[in-house]
Amino acid sequence: AQRVTQPEKLLSVFKGAPVELKCNYSYSGSPELFWYVQYSRQRLQLLLRHISRESIKGFTADLNKGETSFHLKKPFAQEEDSAMYYCALSSGGSEKLVFGKGTKLTVNP
Amino acid sequence: DVKVTQSSRYLVKRTGEKVFLECVQDMDHENMFWYRQDPGLGLRLIYFSYDVKMKEKGDIPEGYSVSREKKERFSLILESASTNQTSMYLCASWAPRGNTEAFFGQGTRLTVV
Repeated sequence: AQRVTQPEKLLSVFKGAPVELKCNYSYSGSPELFWYVQYSRQRLQLLLRHISRESIKGFTADLNKGETSFHLKKPFAQEEDSAMYYCALSSGGSEKLVFGKGTKLTVNP
Repeated sequence: DVKVTQSSRYLVKRTGEKVFLECVQDMDHENMFWYRQDPGLGLRLIYFSYDVKMKEKGDIPEGYSVSREKKERFSLILESASTNQTSMYLCASWAPRGNTEAFFGQGTRLTVV
């Protein structure tokens, strides 16, 4: 079964501090991992996906198959990063997209 | 520019009513999803569809059904609404083999009284 675990419901950091949002997954095959973000009063939208290995808004995430993790990192948090972040998994070729419970990030001035 | 549209932003229904939530996408995506979003529980998959007239149960299908008669439209049906179905409902569409992102609707806030 596909499962995504985000252990932190809430994460609070100060502006300029590094931030790491944790994501662990459970799937025996080759997963596709994503991070989605929801800013206040906006739609859920894609932040980044592991397959493209890109950096968006300063965020990066590396797929670690040994640890079954896909943690989201940013070296210097900004106030505009405050949002709800969801990790998601698709079992590459499966039609299903499964999300974690989300982490609410607050960046304080 | 809007790609996924949900028919209602807010709905208030009475217990026992039959409720229809509609979702339309204009990207010709094969897959469409219905999730409910609750604080502390994240997005939970109710049903998804990978083709017209095809559907699969998600993690919490009880009390819900779906219909996909046309590729662009995916409907969520609450046969007999109950207060524990009060929630935010999100529709999404996706082309998994196209290396694209899933696009979400603006959400429908359903309150069952």
